[in-house]
Amino acid sequence: ETGVTQSPTHLIKTRGQQVTLRCSSQSGHNTVSWYQQALGQGPQFIFQYYREEENGRGNFPPRFSGLQFPNYSSELNVNALELDDSALYLCASSLAGTSGSMDTQYFGPGTRLTVL
Amino acid sequence: GEDVEQSLFLSVREGDSSVINCTYTDSSSTYLYWYKQEPGAGLQLLTYIFSNMDMKQDQRLTVLLNKKDKHLSLRIADTQTGDSAIYFCAESRGKGGYQKVTFGTGTKLQVIP
Repeated sequence: ETGVTQSPTHLIKTRGQQVTLRCSSQSGHNTVSWYQQALGQGPQFIFQYYREEENGRGNFPPRFSGLQFPNYSSELNVNALELDDSALYLCASSLAGTSGSMDTQYFGPGTRLTVL
Repeated sequence: GEDVEQSLFLSVREGDSSVINCTYTDSSSTYLYWYKQEPGAGLQLLTYIFSNMDMKQDQRLTVLLNKKDKHLSLRIADTQTGDSAIYFCAESRGKGGYQKVTFGTGTKLQVIP
């Protein structure tokens, strides 16, 4: 196990609703990245948080937003859910050094979101 | 551009070696990774290699990197039924504390007893 935890494990929502997913990073890690993995595909990078700020974003619309807290845990929020948002959402934590170097990312087990 | 490609499926007999191949397009990649994903589970980091290395061996796993051809491979020696899973190749780029990881579509490894 990596020490990265996510909640909830599974979630069912209806189109148009909003959802919040949570991630606790591995002890000592200060950076959290979020990925969306649709069925049968590889994970797609959503965004990354470092020192409570978003410092990188993939090709996802603004209705995907996030937060990082002082303890480095993180939330992913998705507004106005669409059917295509159904996927496994993975978070990964890592340690960014003061020089900007980045250690390996370790993934949590994911939250499976189903949008009906 | 960013693109990571893998073959979709590989079938091997138990005890044989498996070789999973991957090509990537971004020459500025700093790390290259292999992850394993079992059904219904998250991603398990198997191994990784720095872009300035050619080879890395870790027990049954051997990673080969051909930076000139942007080709990465994962060899699993003495493949076991427990190795059946989807294997993702991934490359990362980063600077100033920002790291973006791009994944391939995954190779499904089937191990036949």
